[in-house]
Amino acid sequence: NAGVTQTPKFRVLKTGQSMTLLCAQDMNHEYMYWYRQDPGMGLRLIHYSVGEGTTAKGEVPDGYNVSRLKKQNFLLGLESAAPSQTSVYFCASRSSYEQYFGPGTRLTVT
Amino acid sequence: GEDVEQSLFLSVREGDSSVINCTYTDSSSTYLYWYKQEPGAGLQLLTYIFSNMDMKQDQRLTVLLNKKDKHLSLRIADTQTGDSAIYFCAEARGGYNKLIFGAGTRLAVHP
Repeated sequence: NAGVTQTPKFRVLKTGQSMTLLCAQDMNHEYMYWYRQDPGMGLRLIHYSVGEGTTAKGEVPDGYNVSRLKKQNFLLGLESAAPSQTSVYFCASRSSYEQYFGPGTRLTVT
Repeated sequence: GEDVEQSLFLSVREGDSSVINCTYTDSSSTYLYWYKQEPGAGLQLLTYIFSNMDMKQDQRLTVLLNKKDKHLSLRIADTQTGDSAIYFCAEARGGYNKLIFGAGTRLAVHP
C-alpha cells in the first residue's frame, strides 16, 4: 500500500513550456486534491475532484487544468508555464475526514 | 489561505511543553486539523478535532478548541528534537472538505 505518490519529484521548465504532474493513490478514495505551497505561506487549493470524471476549481485555479479519468489518478496540467508557477505541488486524497498527502513535486519555471 | 493565522516561529527547550496557536474565521468549519511538515517532506496528519468538541488528547498531543473565539491550539508535551518541524493549522470548509491552511509555525527545539 503505497498511499499517495507523485511524479516527477523535481522538474525545471522554461517559460511557455507545458507539463503534466501525476498523482496516484491506491486507497480507493473518491476525493482528490491539488495544492501548491509557496515560501512563507500555507498550502492553497488549486483544483479538486469528488470522483472519477469530475473536477472543480479551488482557490487558485488560473493557469492549471486537471483531469480525473481514472479513480486512482489525478493529473495536473500546466499548458504554458510561467515563473509565478514556481512552487511545490502537493496532491492529497481523502478518506472520511482525513486527507493524506503525497511527498510533493518541486517545480521551477525559468 | 490567509483567513487562518498562526505565529510564524516558536522556540522551546527539549523536555518542555510547546503550545502552537491558530485562529480561524469561518464559524461553520466542521473540522480543524494539525499537520506536521518536516524539511523536504509532505504533510503528515497529526490530529484533528470536530467543531463540537472542546478538547482532544492523543498521547503527547492535546488540542484545545475555543469555538467562540475561533481559536485552536496544539500542545506538545515533553517536546523532543524530533518534533522540530513546521506545524500547519487547517480548517475544513464546505461539503467537500476543502482545507484552508495557515502559513505554518516553525517549531525549533533546542537542548
